[in-house]
Amino acid sequence: GAGVSQSPRYKVAKRGQDVALRCDPISGHVSLFWYQQALGQGPEFLTYFQNEAQLDKSGLPSDRFFAERPEGSVSTLKIQRTQQEDSAVYLCASSRRSGANVLTFGAGSRLTVL
Amino acid sequence: AQSVTQLGSHVSVSEGALVLLRCNYSSSVPPYLFWYVQYPNQGLQLLLKYTSAATLVKGINGFEAEFKKSETSFHLTKPSAHMSDAAEYFCAVSDRDNQGGKLIFGQGTELSVKP
Repeated sequence: GAGVSQSPRYKVAKRGQDVALRCDPISGHVSLFWYQQALGQGPEFLTYFQNEAQLDKSGLPSDRFFAERPEGSVSTLKIQRTQQEDSAVYLCASSRRSGANVLTFGAGSRLTVL
Repeated sequence: AQSVTQLGSHVSVSEGALVLLRCNYSSSVPPYLFWYVQYPNQGLQLLLKYTSAATLVKGINGFEAEFKKSETSFHLTKPSAHMSDAAEYFCAVSDRDNQGGKLIFGQGTELSVKP
């Protein structure tokens, strides 16, 4: 596609529910990143994929967070047993080459946990 | 480890005035540096990047930034602000030697432009 597409754009979940956030990167982009952006803050790194391999998941805040990219294109970020502190915008970004040099970001998925 | 500090969470300028958004970085290796802009309810858009070529980097929409190693700074400037420049601006650093390098972002600076 022309850009990075994320869905849903908005998600409201009750505390304890599981959520799944989808990212469609630009076709052919090797690298895919997930970031978490809390209100009024800069984006914080969650995890990085090079094709289907998850090379860095050091930013995932707990074992409730899980990300996958099984075929090296679409990625899903799953949050189990959501907590209020998980409320944030989740940004996906992709890059044509390995590494983070120039990222194209999606518009984000805004998660609100009640 | 890398880090970025943006001085001033909010900057307000008049239309036509100089824009100066400050960014200082910390990096144990020569860095790649970036400025991104974020409009409300949109993703981040790259304004410009420094990757060890010219220290004065020109970007889109009339913005430029100068890499100053001695000051560990990468301030963003624009000679004349437009109303359309009102947005959130993020400075970021990446470890150039790491193939899987990730971007480390600052806290952001919200730019307001007064008519």
